[in-house]
Amino acid sequence: ETGVTQSPTHLIKTRGQQVTLRCSSQSGHNTVSWYQQALGQGPQFIFQYYREEENGRGNFPPRFSGLQFPNYSSELNVNALELDDSALYLCASSLRELNTIYFGEGSWLTVV
Amino acid sequence: GQNIDQPTEMTATEGAIVQINCTYQTSGFNGLFWYQQHAGEAPTFLSYNVLDGLEEKGRFSSFLSRSKGYSYLLLKELQMKDSASYLCAVNPPTDSWGKLQFGAGTQVVVTP
Repeated sequence: ETGVTQSPTHLIKTRGQQVTLRCSSQSGHNTVSWYQQALGQGPQFIFQYYREEENGRGNFPPRFSGLQFPNYSSELNVNALELDDSALYLCASSLRELNTIYFGEGSWLTVV
Repeated sequence: GQNIDQPTEMTATEGAIVQINCTYQTSGFNGLFWYQQHAGEAPTFLSYNVLDGLEEKGRFSSFLSRSKGYSYLLLKELQMKDSASYLCAVNPPTDSWGKLQFGAGTQVVVTP
């Protein structure tokens, strides 16, 4: 049990639609990172939020956006969904001072 | 950026030992994580090495050599439940802390 919770667990969307995924970080963790994991691959870094500000972004287009709230929970939004967006989306919660990074259970997104 | 290599698959019998190697080429480095991931689940934290040497945690040990860009995860007294993918992830320098770069994962198959 990592204390990181994500919702929804599974969802199916149609190409062109928009989706919002949510993450509640472990208590006290002020940094949240989002990753995309395609089948058979390692997770790919999307972006990170630190104290409500975006703090770095991977090689993902602008239609991937996010937010972090004062309680450090976070959202990942994806617009204009494409078939290749089908993947497991992982939220990672961390506190730099503790050298720990914990993942939530993930949200499985299928785009049809 | 980072180039992280690990074997695709390894097979071993119950009770045996398996060593999973990970090599990386880095433009900056602030530690290396190992995660275990069962099919359809989120990665589970196993270890974090930032200094050279061996860290032991029960049946699992992790080793790091920064000068060689090399790490390994050692799994002893293998159990069937150890069948999973093992992910090596490099932690970038301090100003990019927590934006992990993952290898593709090593699928370990434990046979009776």
